Amino acid sequence: SQQGEEDPQALSIQEGENATMNCSYKTSINNLQWYRQNSGRGLVHLILIRSNEREKHSGRLRVTLDTSKKSSSLLITASRAADTASYFCATADMNRDDKIIFGKGTRLHILP
Amino acid sequence: DGGITQSPKYLFRKEGQNVTLSCEQNLNHDAMYWYRQDPGQGLRLIYYSQIVNDFQKGDIAEGYSVSREKKESFPLTVTSAQKNPTAFYLCASSIGEDGQETQYFGPGTRLLVL
Repeated sequence: SQQGEEDPQALSIQEGENATMNCSYKTSINNLQWYRQNSGRGLVHLILIRSNEREKHSGRLRVTLDTSKKSSSLLITASRAADTASYFCATADMNRDDKIIFGKGTRLHILP
Repeated sequence: DGGITQSPKYLFRKEGQNVTLSCEQNLNHDAMYWYRQDPGQGLRLIYYSQIVNDFQKGDIAEGYSVSREKKESFPLTVTSAQKNPTAFYLCASSIGEDGQETQYFGPGTRLLVL
């Protein structure tokens, strides 16, 4: 079953602009992670934010978590062509022994 | 190089045939996972293993089987009972199986039906 739902499904922006992706989930979580997947490759972990954290930064990435709204956002600042990929949120579902459940992803395309 | 490897990169299956996908890790991780990804979709959990000689069904285990005889290896067999096997298969590992740790993914195996 899918818990995390990313929004939008696809996003195209000009190089240098900021890209924002959102993730909504349904149940109580211990943490939320964001992963990146280049076409035809495995996923790469980007960042993990715990349920008691509201914001976290890593380089050009900024993640927020609002547990009251059951949502998270991933902001990529000053986008580059190399950021073109699919981005997935993954939640550790407290009701399912912390099983990690992945959303369907946002496909990000950076235009030159 | 530490990491997780999958082979082959592409695999072709004939009607009624069982095929086995390899997954090996040298990260000394206890937990390993198999996911299936269909085009434009997220990952669905097939099987996972927290420790050697133990594994659990995920959300879509029907038509698949696994073994965990060694800590480093978690092969997945796609049996003839899986009627729609064409997909991208991803193996992952993590230090422990409690959702608190990062999962490290292999490069994937694309399975096609002839």
